Amino acid sequence: NAGVTQTPKFQVLKTGQSMTLQCAQDMNHEYMSWYRQDPGMGLRLIHYSVGAGITDQGEVPNGYNVSRSTTEDFPLRLLSAAPSQTSVYFCASSYSPTGLYGYTFGSGTRLTVV
Amino acid sequence: DQQVKQNSPSLSVQEGRISILNCDYTNSMFDYFLWYKKYPAEGPTFLISISSIKDKNEDGRFTVFLNKSAKHLSLHIVPSQPGDSAVYFCAASGETSGSRLTFGEGTQLTVNP
Repeated sequence: NAGVTQTPKFQVLKTGQSMTLQCAQDMNHEYMSWYRQDPGMGLRLIHYSVGAGITDQGEVPNGYNVSRSTTEDFPLRLLSAAPSQTSVYFCASSYSPTGLYGYTFGSGTRLTVV
Repeated sequence: DQQVKQNSPSLSVQEGRISILNCDYTNSMFDYFLWYKKYPAEGPTFLISISSIKDKNEDGRFTVFLNKSAKHLSLHIVPSQPGDSAVYFCAASGETSGSRLTFGEGTQLTVNP
């Protein structure tokens, strides 16, 4: 099925560990983003990309790295996990930069840092 | 600095009646406004959008109204159905904001049979 695939769906990390959240889309979308969702705070933008090789910071980038070597993949790396990074992470993609025709979201990765 | 706000954390309506979800924004540079629906353990799903050059956009049971002078938009669902029970997020973007969406906090809609 066409769409945005995120792996893993669930992850528990110990403080200080690193990991990569995977995101892949098969719709040939140029624009991809990572968001985190925390209770009562909506979705906040972590990093985004406007095309292969081009990334930029969003609202809450500290503690996260991204790269975009292909159009399809946009992995999010946690460098040294902290309890404050416990959250649900969503990857999204779109062919429109403004999202006027909608961003397609993945089903999310629920991360717990202990 | 919350640029997009949804002041009602929850809303409960009867099946068949109208649901009205509200959203306010502060950034006059926003040009596009979107509504997303989210079920538990799923990603948000795009519902409907509106450009700032319009004041209304309709898609089936869903209508979005935009009042630029008041920096306010609303989503009307008529008639409401139990399957509409979900969290609804308002989001905004601008021509100069690249691919960045700014989201509100969300409103939990419950439609009672």
